[in-house]
Amino acid sequence: GESVGLHLPTLSVQEGDNSIINCAYSNSASDYFIWYKQESGKGPQFIIDIRSNMDKRQGQRVTVLLNKTVKHLSLQIAATQPGDSAVYFCAEKGGNRDDKIIFGKGTRLHILP
Amino acid sequence: DAGVIQSPRHEVTEMGQEVTLRCKPISGHNSLFWYRQTMMRGLELLIYFNNNVPIDDSGMPEDRFSAKMPNASFSTLKIQPSEPRDSAVYFCASGRGAGDTQYFGPGTRLTVL
Repeated sequence: GESVGLHLPTLSVQEGDNSIINCAYSNSASDYFIWYKQESGKGPQFIIDIRSNMDKRQGQRVTVLLNKTVKHLSLQIAATQPGDSAVYFCAEKGGNRDDKIIFGKGTRLHILP
Repeated sequence: DAGVIQSPRHEVTEMGQEVTLRCKPISGHNSLFWYRQTMMRGLELLIYFNNNVPIDDSGMPEDRFSAKMPNASFSTLKIQPSEPRDSAVYFCASGRGAGDTQYFGPGTRLTVL
């Protein structure tokens, strides 16, 4: 029979447009957040991180926004390219020194030609 | 700099056989993580080590799974005996600390027939 896989939300974006991938985190005490990108057949790759004392951080073509009030994290990718096609994971870490980083389920970004 | 190194990249074995997966973390990193990724469950943390000591193995599915880290530059994940439901991609990741950014290896794709 057909296996039921993990349903990942999918975001389809036209090449050249901006992409916004959203993530709701669970722990109000989390103080460190990371976005990872996983391309097909590869391991997750660090993109950008942000600490809770900031609400915005920019990298090369990427921006992470943090809204602690509503426990929401977003990743913005400017001028989306075919190479951006991947699954994107947000991850959070609690406020205690020994807290583990917890990964979200992921969002698949699909680039339309 | 070399990233996290995993071997083998692919492993096909028969049910009941012992499987050993290997990982070499990034030099200077004190924390090492073993993850399993499947379509059904997504990315799951199995166990992590800090300074070669297992800190949290609550994600290890059952006694058939064991992990060791005999020194700072080598870790193994062993499954004995293996079962078809163990088929997955197993990732090793390392970081400076448990709550710091993790850098993933390329993964080992395990197929148990």
